[in-house]
Amino acid sequence: AQSVTQPDIHITVSEGASLELRCNYSYGATPYLFWYVQSPGQGLQLLLKYFSGDTLVQGIKGFEAEFKRSQSSFNLRKPSVHWSDAAEYFCAVGARLDFGNEKLTFGTGTRLTIIP
Amino acid sequence: KAGVTQTPRYLIKTRGQQVTLSCSPISGHRSVSWYQQTPGQGLQFLFEYFSETQRNKGNFPGRFSGRQFSNSRSEMNVSTLELGDSALYLCASSLGGPSGSHTEAFFGQGTRLTVV
Repeated sequence: AQSVTQPDIHITVSEGASLELRCNYSYGATPYLFWYVQSPGQGLQLLLKYFSGDTLVQGIKGFEAEFKRSQSSFNLRKPSVHWSDAAEYFCAVGARLDFGNEKLTFGTGTRLTIIP
Repeated sequence: KAGVTQTPRYLIKTRGQQVTLSCSPISGHRSVSWYQQTPGQGLQFLFEYFSETQRNKGNFPGRFSGRQFSNSRSEMNVSTLELGDSALYLCASSLGGPSGSHTEAFFGQGTRLTVV
């Protein structure tokens, strides 16, 4: 079974500083990988996804992530954060199954706080 | 186009009662997945429906059930409610690819269920 680890429960960064949120996954083959963002009381919004091909993927709101197979990682980065980026971020993995497959396994999330 | 619509947004029920939550997917999407989000357990997959058939199921007791209608709308039912069922229930819709594939999931804002 697949699993996702987000080692950082809470991260605080200054506005304008760079950001990296860590994500490690466990899966026997190349998974589908996702980053979602959730604002308080809201649903999840997809930031970016990796299915195959180029290991550096660009997403919305200036985010990018890099798939590193050797490290089983899919870290999320942003060169300069804005106060509006304060939210909870979830990494998720989707397995490649023999049957229908829309199941996502989520990490526990990283809460991002932005200070002026 | 309209996003994923979940109704109601908030619900308060008493222990032992049952509840039905509704999810209307994005037009043209045939897959609907349900997730439970709690502070203690995080985001956990409940089940997925595709073309009116349950295609995937998580590790939840039989009190949790669902169905999907011919127009792809889905309902989730929880019987004999327990205090621990208090959670944010999220619905995700996706195109739903062929076996083994994965398509992008779009989430609704969720239904906040409180069991007292």
